[in-house]
Amino acid sequence: QQQVKQSPQSLIVQKGGISIINCAYENTAFDYFPWYQQFPGKGPALLIAIRPDVSEKKEGRFTISFNKSAKQFSLHIMDSQPGDSATYFCAASISGTGANNLFFGTGTRLTVIP
Amino acid sequence: EAQVTQNPRYLITVTGKKLTVTCSQNMNHEYMSWYRQDPGLGLRQIYYSMNVEVTDKGDVPEGYKVSRKEKRNFPLILESPSPNQTSLYFCASSLAGGLRVEQYFGPGTRLTVT
Repeated sequence: QQQVKQSPQSLIVQKGGISIINCAYENTAFDYFPWYQQFPGKGPALLIAIRPDVSEKKEGRFTISFNKSAKQFSLHIMDSQPGDSATYFCAASISGTGANNLFFGTGTRLTVIP
Repeated sequence: EAQVTQNPRYLITVTGKKLTVTCSQNMNHEYMSWYRQDPGLGLRQIYYSMNVEVTDKGDVPEGYKVSRKEKRNFPLILESPSPNQTSLYFCASSLAGGLRVEQYFGPGTRLTVT
């Protein structure tokens, strides 16, 4: 049973456009929501993360929007570049337990066309 | 350089032949974890360890074993591999607990079981 649902499975965006990836969760105990970026042949790497006490977090061209009541969060990539082409995973975890178990979405393969 | 290393990077084996995938980290992290990545399923946790001699099952532990005898190493053992264990495997590590739970991933091991 997938604890974090992610869509779309793949996304093609023109250079300069906005890429949007959506995730939803059910477990209200989740309190940490990271996004990981994975390039071909590499392991995932943390891109940006948010906690539910804020509705938005921005780092450069990357923004997480968080809707606690809807149990949804999304990644927005502004001014998308070919170098952003990668697979993106949303995730969720419960902090403070000592265990850092991450529950991942199924991933979104983003292709940015020059 | 802070990193998580895995060996081998690629492995082709036959059904039933025991194998071990090694994982080592040089960041003095307490927490280590193994994931498998399959198309359309994202990253699923196999086993994790919160410290030396402390291990626990993740979401898909069947057919796998782990051990944590030293803080830096967390090998994944397949006693009798089967074709359904053909997958891309990632080891990850992080500090334990706290609010910042960034996981650092290794480069991956692509396993094919025929």
